[in-house]
Amino acid sequence: GQNIDQPTEMTATEGAIVQINCTYQTSGFNGLFWYQQHAGEAPTFLSYNVLDGLEEKGRFSSFLSRSKGYSYLLLKELQMKDSASYLCASMDSNYQLIWGAGTKLIIKP
Amino acid sequence: GAVVSQHPSWVICKSGTSVKIECRSLDFQATTMFWYRQFPKQSLMLMATSNEGSKATYEQGVEKDKFLINHASLTLSTLTVTSAHPEDSSFYICSAKAGGPSETQYFGPGTRLLVL
Repeated sequence: GQNIDQPTEMTATEGAIVQINCTYQTSGFNGLFWYQQHAGEAPTFLSYNVLDGLEEKGRFSSFLSRSKGYSYLLLKELQMKDSASYLCASMDSNYQLIWGAGTKLIIKP
Repeated sequence: GAVVSQHPSWVICKSGTSVKIECRSLDFQATTMFWYRQFPKQSLMLMATSNEGSKATYEQGVEKDKFLINHASLTLSTLTVTSAHPEDSSFYICSAKAGGPSETQYFGPGTRLLVL
C-alpha cells in the first residue's frame, strides 16, 4: 500500500533549527512536496524535490533521498510565525499526491 | 503568480439545503483542479479530481451524486454539496495546477461549511 510517515508533533525554540522527517512508500514516484498549513487555513506550497539532494530556499531547505524513500524539511532561524503544520506529500506514478497526516510544529520563545 | 480563490469562505446552512462552492485560478489556466475535505486535526482527504470539460474522478467512498463537481472552464470549478447534513460540516479546500501532471498544486483559502 501507499504510506507517508511523519512525526505528529515537534517542539522547537525560537531562533533554533528544526528538521522534520518524512518517509514515503508510494506506487511509483514523481516527486516529493512540502506544504505549510497554519491553523484554520489552507496549505501553502513550500518545496518540490524530484532529484536527490538538498534544495535551499531562504530559511527553508528540503532534502530528498529516493533510494531511502526519505525526505526532510529543515527550518532555520525559527520564528514564532513558523508555528504551523507541515505536510509531506509524495506524487505517485499516476501523478496523484499521497498526503501525510502532517507534523504540528510548536515554536516556544 | 499562482493564486487560487474560493468563494464563499464561510457557509452556514440548514440541513437539507444545497451549497455551492466556487474555486477560481486567478492568474493561470488550471488544467486540473482538486477538491479536498479536512476535518479538524485530520489530514487532507482528496475527494475528487476534475479536468476542464470532462467528468470529475471521485475517490473511493465519495458520493458523486452528493458532491457535484463542474469544471466548465480553465479557471473555474464548482463543488455543490447537495442535501447537506451536519456530518458534511467540514473545511473544503480546492487546489489547481497548470501544465503537466507533475506541476505544483496551489491551494485556495478554503471554505468552512457548517450544516445545522
